[in-house]
Amino acid sequence: DQQVKQNSPSLSVQEGRISILNCDYTNSMFDYFLWYKKYPAEGPTFLISISSIKDKNEDGRFTVFLNKSAKHLSLHIVPSQPGDSAVYFCAASGVGTNFGNEKLTFGTGTRLTIIP
Amino acid sequence: DTAVSQTPKYLVTQMGNDKSIKCEQNLGHDTMYWYKQDSKKFLKIMFSYNNKELIINETVPNRFSPKSPDKAHLNLHINSLELGDSAVYFCASSQEKSFPPFSYNSPLHFGNGTRLTVT
Repeated sequence: DQQVKQNSPSLSVQEGRISILNCDYTNSMFDYFLWYKKYPAEGPTFLISISSIKDKNEDGRFTVFLNKSAKHLSLHIVPSQPGDSAVYFCAASGVGTNFGNEKLTFGTGTRLTIIP
Repeated sequence: DTAVSQTPKYLVTQMGNDKSIKCEQNLGHDTMYWYKQDSKKFLKIMFSYNNKELIINETVPNRFSPKSPDKAHLNLHINSLELGDSAVYFCASSQEKSFPPFSYNSPLHFGNGTRLTVT
């Protein structure tokens, strides 16, 4: 049962433009959402997070938007740079006793390629 | 000065063999994990280990066993390897197992992965 879905396996964006990566989830108990970034031959690294009490969280060029009613979140990268080329994983976690790293559910990732 | 290091990077072996993957973290974290990324790119947790407490994903076959000699090391032993075990295995660590509501203050730090191929 794929509770976190990233329906676009790949995305190509021109350098300097906006990159928008999407993520949908089905479990209404999810209350915290994360994005991890992964370069080839490396492990994922934490990028940005958002909780359900917010609909937007910004960190430099990276902004995550959350639409709880639609069970949808997106990651915006503006402006996109060649170093942003990587695989981006969306992840979600629940609340209460389910609020832990061992309870994270990951999507299958979207490969972002920034074209110079 | 790699934070989370795992060895080997690649592992090719035959069905039925027993193999181990080692993981060490120098971040002083309290919790360590093993994740498996299968051919469909799903990244799923296998185990977490915190203060001698082992939490096992119930879907993991008992041929897989984690061993933690100390807080900085979590090794993965796999017995009687099967074709379906071929995957990339990631070790990870975090300062805490859980994080407070509305504040992700304990992100995962992953190793670079071990690509296991069973022939």
